[in-house]
Amino acid sequence: SVLTQPPSASGTPGQRVTISCSGSSSSIGSNIVNWFQQLPGTTPKLLIHSNNQRPSGVPDRFSGSKSGTSASLAISGLQSEDEADYYCAAWDASLKAYVFGSGTKVTVL
Amino acid sequence: EVQLVESGGGLVQPGGSLRLSCAASGFTFYSDWMSWVRQAPGKGLEWVANIKEDGSEKNYVDSVKGRFTISRDNAKNSLYLQMNSLRADDTAVYYCVRSIGGGKSAWGQGTLVTVSS
Repeated sequence: SVLTQPPSASGTPGQRVTISCSGSSSSIGSNIVNWFQQLPGTTPKLLIHSNNQRPSGVPDRFSGSKSGTSASLAISGLQSEDEADYYCAAWDASLKAYVFGSGTKVTVL
Repeated sequence: EVQLVESGGGLVQPGGSLRLSCAASGFTFYSDWMSWVRQAPGKGLEWVANIKEDGSEKNYVDSVKGRFTISRDNAKNSLYLQMNSLRADDTAVYYCVRSIGGGKSAWGQGTLVTVSS
């Protein structure tokens, strides 16, 4: 994948978990980042848009940030229902393609 | 309520063709970029193609260039993906997505395409 994410992350209920997403100057460095959540057996859902904006209905324990060519998603106060795959994504101006990270599986211990 | 309903998936032999459709409702279809995204069994998400509001601009992932064609009919609120010369590695669930890069992003339930002899 053009965007690099760790394959897995985990935490106990109530902990804070952070997922990194590394890109390039032509992707994250010059375009907004979105984050998608895919719960087991379901369709992906928009979690964070425009680097750090939560759509209506997304709990405020989810937050996004971006700096340079990297972005991150933080889940504070981890809950069992947060077990899912998380994908970062951004437009890549050099590839003229929308690129996804490889996904990070979050496990609640 | 925004709804995106894909159809047209199925089993096809290598080298064959399929045309996917996506019926959109609940939003102003002609005002949004639309995309197709696929997910192979047990794998991550892969963007396939997108198309501008009026159809004047289209982009594709390298692996489908020359084989797939995205199109839309704003009068019918519909998005299409014509897939030719299908290969085994095209096997995936194909999702129709509204405004993938923005805050209005919405996804359909997907349609499964299986390429196998």
